[in-house]
Amino acid sequence: DIQMTQSPSTLSASVGDRVTITCRASQTISSCLAWYQLKPGKAPKLLIYQASSLQNGVPSRFSGRGSGTEFTLTISSLQPDDFASYSCQQCDSYPWTFGQGTKVEI
Amino acid sequence: QVQLQESGPGQVKPSQTLSLTCIVSGGSITSGDYYWTWIRQHPGEGLEWIGSFYSSLSSYYNPSLKSRVTISEDTSTKQFSLKLTSVTAADTAVYYCARERFIRDGGGFDVWGQGTMVSVSS
Repeated sequence: DIQMTQSPSTLSASVGDRVTITCRASQTISSCLAWYQLKPGKAPKLLIYQASSLQNGVPSRFSGRGSGTEFTLTISSLQPDDFASYSCQQCDSYPWTFGQGTKVEI
Repeated sequence: QVQLQESGPGQVKPSQTLSLTCIVSGGSITSGDYYWTWIRQHPGEGLEWIGSFYSSLSSYYNPSLKSRVTISEDTSTKQFSLKLTSVTAADTAVYYCARERFIRDGGGFDVWGQGTMVSVSS
């Protein structure tokens, strides 16, 4: 299985900050890498697909980039609604695997 | 727009079968344009893909669960279901159903249910 490792596990930030979360794959993967936002009691939300494509309806302050084994999710100016957990997921080969998550907190 | 809602018991006894249903509204699971998927999250841990169903001839399961998992559809009721046999405490988790796009369409799980917590205890 491809292991996905996110860093940091927790990130403390303030409204307006630029934050970056990193996701590293245990082996080279294609660009099939997605990012999700998770909030307790709510449906997870797809933010980025194919490493850098913004899902319809997602604010442009979210961006993704990367290739090979290292990928990043950047929020250019953190908003109050962005305090949540974020998870990456590879769709290069079965079984699909997720990172352990990064919690963005105040 | 498509919405998903998980349904099922919140508690299952050890060694029994966990059965969950995902109700699909605003769309059809027979459109042939998506996989229909189950994902879970153990308390305090990351997400775990359980399996994806396209048709009875095309389904994929996580090898770690494959011997215990069945995902199937009920087209008459616009639902798809998860059955996980011989459960233990390690199966306690929040279970999500989701719609999965084909890789050619970008991949990823673009619609999710809110999740349902299932506890395995006697």
